Amino acid sequence: NAGVTQTPKFRVLKTGQSMTLLCAQDMNHEYMYWYRQDPGMGLRLIHYSVGEGTTAKGEVPDGYNVSRLKKQNFLLGLESAAPSQTSVYFCASSVRNEQFFGPGTRLTVL
Amino acid sequence: GQSLEQPSEVTAVEGAIVQINCTYQTSGFYGLSWYQQHDGGAPTFLSYNGLDGLEETGRFSSFLSRSDSYGYLLLQELQMKDSASYFCAVRVRSGNTPLVFGKGTRLSVIA
Repeated sequence: NAGVTQTPKFRVLKTGQSMTLLCAQDMNHEYMYWYRQDPGMGLRLIHYSVGEGTTAKGEVPDGYNVSRLKKQNFLLGLESAAPSQTSVYFCASSVRNEQFFGPGTRLTVL
Repeated sequence: GQSLEQPSEVTAVEGAIVQINCTYQTSGFYGLSWYQQHDGGAPTFLSYNGLDGLEETGRFSSFLSRSDSYGYLLLQELQMKDSASYFCAVRVRSGNTPLVFGKGTRLSVIA
């Protein structure tokens, strides 16, 4: 099992550009999450999904959109990137009391 | 709002014991978790406490006191590889719901 995978691993964008981050899990988990991690800020929840076709806002959803068309995939979109979105993005899936994290995507917006 | 407080940095000697505390003020409480993250890596699950008391997993133990809104992670027989950031996280709603994370404690293990 690959667990949780994320693509791409690194990306540099210019302000105003758009992109989609892909998260995939092969553990058949219903719940999936997108977090961002900034220095000294811990992990902050952007959006999450409790199952295929459902999404919900987290703590910091502004500037992001998500889709969960298939159970195993959870996409995070930035429609118009801003420098404030420079961060490391982690996807996770969960079962019971444990979350499994992907390796992260390091995004820089210039 | 949700608030989780943990020390920002801790330094300990190889072979020693270290305790990382976490106090929380949240709208709800359904359990306290701990995650470890090495530099450049992803967070990995260490432990979960849903009820008061001590949970032990090898060299790591985690404790919860719901009446005090307090928990800690105890690391024994410290090794250099334990140098990492440690995050406490609270489940604020019932069920398999998102966690609220603290800002993390950076542990440095020195020889």
